[in-house]
Amino acid sequence: AQSVSQHNHHVILSEAASLELGCNYSYGGTVNLFWYVQYPGQHLQLLLKYFSGDPLVKGIKGFEAEFIKSKFSFNLRKPSVQWSDTAEYFCAVNQWSGNTPLVFGKGTRLSVIA
Amino acid sequence: DAGVIQSPRHEVTEMGQEVTLRCKPISGHNSLFWYRQTMMRGLELLIYFNNNVPIDDSGMPEDRFSAKMPNASFSTLKIQPSEPRDSAVYFCASTLTGRINQPQHFGDGTRLSIL
Repeated sequence: AQSVSQHNHHVILSEAASLELGCNYSYGGTVNLFWYVQYPGQHLQLLLKYFSGDPLVKGIKGFEAEFIKSKFSFNLRKPSVQWSDTAEYFCAVNQWSGNTPLVFGKGTRLSVIA
Repeated sequence: DAGVIQSPRHEVTEMGQEVTLRCKPISGHNSLFWYRQTMMRGLELLIYFNNNVPIDDSGMPEDRFSAKMPNASFSTLKIQPSEPRDSAVYFCASTLTGRINQPQHFGDGTRLSIL
């Protein structure tokens, strides 16, 4: 069965600091990888996705993630965070065929302070 | 374009009552997923449909939960009778499946509180 591990439960950063959130997955086959963001009281929004090709993917709001197949990792990065990035971030994976359910990590809560 | 539409946004009801959550997927999408989010367990799949057919309902907690998709534009998740432990945020998501992979798009969720 697939599983997703997010290493950090809660991260607190000052504005302009750099961000890296870890994500590792467990699955023997080819997968699609996603990062979703959930602002307080809101629904999940797609930040970025990896299906194939260039392992470095760029998403919205200055976020990027790198797929390292040998490490089963898909870490999320942003060079300089803003207060508005305060949210919960979820890493998710599904099978490459696409029409299968997402398996989510437990989420990482990011708090950005001025 | 309209996104995934869920109703109601909030539901507060007493234990034992029937609860019905509704979802309208994005037009043209042919896969629909119901997820539940709780503090303890995070986001978990309850059930999903491809082309209106239930494919995997192994995530449905017990017989009190049922889901239907009578047509491509509407799905319901019903809990009868409801219990306090069913309190959670329920999300519906949809996607278009085919030759090219697509991400899932989520609705705003229904925040359910069972007293």
